[in-house]
Amino acid sequence: AQSVTQLGSHVSVSEGALVLLRCNYSSSVPPYLFWYVQYPNQGLQLLLKYTSAATLVKGINGFEAEFKKSETSFHLTKPSAHMSDAAEYFCAVFNAGNNRKLIWGLGTSLAVNP
Amino acid sequence: NAGVTQTPKFQVLKTGQSMTLQCAQDMNHEYMSWYRQDPGMGLRLIHYSVGAGITDQGEVPNGYNVSRSTTEDFPLRLLSAAPSQTSVYFCASKRGQGFTGELFFGEGSRLTVL
Repeated sequence: AQSVTQLGSHVSVSEGALVLLRCNYSSSVPPYLFWYVQYPNQGLQLLLKYTSAATLVKGINGFEAEFKKSETSFHLTKPSAHMSDAAEYFCAVFNAGNNRKLIWGLGTSLAVNP
Repeated sequence: NAGVTQTPKFQVLKTGQSMTLQCAQDMNHEYMSWYRQDPGMGLRLIHYSVGAGITDQGEVPNGYNVSRSTTEDFPLRLLSAAPSQTSVYFCASKRGQGFTGELFFGEGSRLTVL
């Protein structure tokens, strides 16, 4: 069965520091992978997605993620954190095999300290 | 462009009461869905629809009904509310009937069942 694991339910960084949010997936076929962000009291919005084109995907607000098949990972990074990046981040995977469902990770709450 | 609009934003119910959460989108999206978000459990799909007149169950459909009489609207009905249905509910839509496109979320409806 496919699954998504986000390592670390809470991550705290200093403003200007590197942001690294981890996502590992399991999938029996090539997956589609997504990162969504949820700002306080808002709905989720798409940051970026991987759909089997370039393995390094650039998204909005300076975020990017790299698909690594050998590590079954799709970690989200940003070189320099801003206070406005404080939010909940969700990784999701879609498997186009037998189980055609979008599977969500449990989310990582990012805090940015001044 | 309003996107996905959910009403009400907040609701308090007593056990056994019924209510409808409204969801409307103005993007002419074929796919619409309802999620619930609970602490430590991420997003869970309740029901979804791939077009007018077509609905299907997600992973947690019990206690909820939906209908899709128009492309724009996808209401979620709680026939007899239970405390276990206390949650934040999100409606989401996207273009097409597949699972790989970008989901557009409403701002959420926070429901408390006493």
